[in-house]
Amino acid sequence: DTAVSQTPKYLVTQMGNDKSIKCEQNLGHDTMYWYKQDSKKFLKIMFSYNNKELIINETVPNRFSPKSPDKAHLNLHINSLELGDSAVYFCASSQEVSGLLQYFGPGTRLTVT
Amino acid sequence: KQEVTQIPAALSVPEGENLVLNCSFTDSAIYNLQWFRQDPGKGLTSLLLIQSSQREQTSGRLNASLDKSSGRSTLYIAASQPGDSATYLCAVRRGSARQLTFGSGTQLTVLP
Repeated sequence: DTAVSQTPKYLVTQMGNDKSIKCEQNLGHDTMYWYKQDSKKFLKIMFSYNNKELIINETVPNRFSPKSPDKAHLNLHINSLELGDSAVYFCASSQEVSGLLQYFGPGTRLTVT
Repeated sequence: KQEVTQIPAALSVPEGENLVLNCSFTDSAIYNLQWFRQDPGKGLTSLLLIQSSQREQTSGRLNASLDKSSGRSTLYIAASQPGDSATYLCAVRRGSARQLTFGSGTQLTVLP
């Protein structure tokens, strides 16, 4: 039973294209996140949604737009992809009332050529 | 701005050895600290969560300690096994913020 799932696992695309990465959690958590892991393995927060509302928006180009259709989903849409967008993108979720543990998805490796 | 540093960046030990991974953070006003394990090409697995009011947490062969005043945490792995080989990441959550600030990780190799 997958707790936090992401699709696709791998995404190879050309510069200038628009792509989406989907994330779903079946843990009943109220907060979801997108992190980016660069080539140096640093994980950095991009966005966070709580109950479908944006609560964190770090300095991310506006080509990146998160969309949360419901509490269990947080999708990441990227417009006009650039070479520098190549990275591994991780989705995570947590329940703010209890635990505070963040559970991570398996990651999506995006390669822009 | 919170910065998290992990030393060493890489560590190689023979099987059976006890080892310590270090994590330091610049802002001691943290809410909690979490240790993760990342296997190549895979996601992060949460190992231990220490609340700011706690000094340590234990899970099996793992023991994590937290010294908030000095901005340090250690992850102790007892009787290491080849299956422990992975990258270990520590991450801190600042006060009211929800997001985690990660260190760059320690890549551990346990040799059989």
